Formats: sequence, structure tokens, C-alpha cells
Amino acid sequence: NFMLTQPHSVSESPGKTVTISCTRSSGSIASDFVQWYQHRPGSSPRNVIFEDNQRPSGVPDRFSGSIDSSSNSASLTISGLETEDEADYYCQSYDGSRSHWVFGGGTKLTVL
Amino acid sequence: QVQLVESGGGVVQPGGSLRLSCAASGFTFSNYGMHWVRQAPGKGLEWVTFIRFDGNREYYPDSVKGRFTMSRDNSRNTLYLEMNSLRPEDTAVYYCAKGKGAAIFDYWGLGTQVTVSS
Repeated sequence: NFMLTQPHSVSESPGKTVTISCTRSSGSIASDFVQWYQHRPGSSPRNVIFEDNQRPSGVPDRFSGSIDSSSNSASLTISGLETEDEADYYCQSYDGSRSHWVFGGGTKLTVL
Repeated sequence: QVQLVESGGGVVQPGGSLRLSCAASGFTFSNYGMHWVRQAPGKGLEWVTFIRFDGNREYYPDSVKGRFTMSRDNSRNTLYLEMNSLRPEDTAVYYCAKGKGAAIFDYWGLGTQVTVSS
């Protein structure tokens, strides 16, 4: 069993770059792919990064993902922030040992 | 384009039951595993259930195991979630989501609200 821990909130100005972290509690971050989802109020969640660093078609290249084994964490980086990026962001991974899907607690991104 | 439309939500008393549906279109439904995910008020996303493409196996977290049952009708491109012995903590927006590979939720519906209250 593992958990994914995210900061509760982050804020940054338009045009700047922000990074959201996702730390795995046990086991290696590299052992299971990490996905990221954007969730705006009243809308469906949207996958913005899959398999650690892959972008689905239609997602701007301002969105990038990475993992860091030294800190056992994944990161979502959004560059050239736009007001429309304001949303909740969730990391997610698959725990194959018990066939469970795990979400981080979510990070509220404010662009001000 | 992929569309997932949930229905069946509503207000139910504690201990009651509810059946949610999810109508899928825009892809070959019978080829993909499907999920239900929920979001309680003020909380984050929580995975609820997964069903294999052929309907032969489902998976549940401990929070709903024994109370919720997921099923699918591939002839009708429809997913179901039967929820029994409902508790106030089951109050949430319930989303159906299409699976991609083992780990990814690549398309989501708009959700349906379930409220458990006396």
C-alpha cells in the first residue's frame, strides 16, 4: 500500500512557471507510472500527463511531467501560466500489488 | 468523440440503495476497462471501482467493498454501479471514466450527484 502526497495549494502569476509535487509514501516512484489530471469546478477531470511525462493530444506543451527517484516524487510543471490553468491538479498511480488505483489529495493552483 | 454520460443520482436515506448508470459512446466500449471515481464535498478524487473489458472481474477499495457492485452491458454500451447500505460519507459526485492501459483514466463524464441524508 502506498499514498501520494501533494501540497494543498500553490499560487503564481500569469506568465510564470509553477511546479506541483507528488511524493510516494512507500515503494519506488519509478515502479509505477504517474498520471496527472486537471479538474476545473463544474467540469470533468482531464488527463494532462500520462506515464510520467507523456502528453495526450490536445494538451499544450506548457505542461510537462517528470519523476525524481532521489526524492521519490513526481512533478507537474506548467510554464507560461494562463488564467485558464487555474484548477485542482491530481496525481495518480496504479498499485498493481492489490489492483487499486491511488490518487493524491489534490493541489489547488491559483493564477493571480 | 468519446462521451460518457452518468445518470441515476439523487437523495437517499442512510441504509438505502441507488443504481447509477453511465452511457458510453464514441469508442468500442467492449474493448476497455471502466472505472467509477467519486469526489466528496470539499475532498479530492477517490477511486471507487474498476471492471474489466469483458465484465469478468471487478475491483473495489475497502471503503465500498461488499456494499457496491459494478457491472456492464456491452450490448448496450452501458456501465452500472449498484450502491447498497449507503452511508452519509458516500455523499459525492460520482464520475465514470474510461480506462487506458492498466493505469490511466483517459476520458471522464460530467458526474452525477449522490446525497445520503435523512
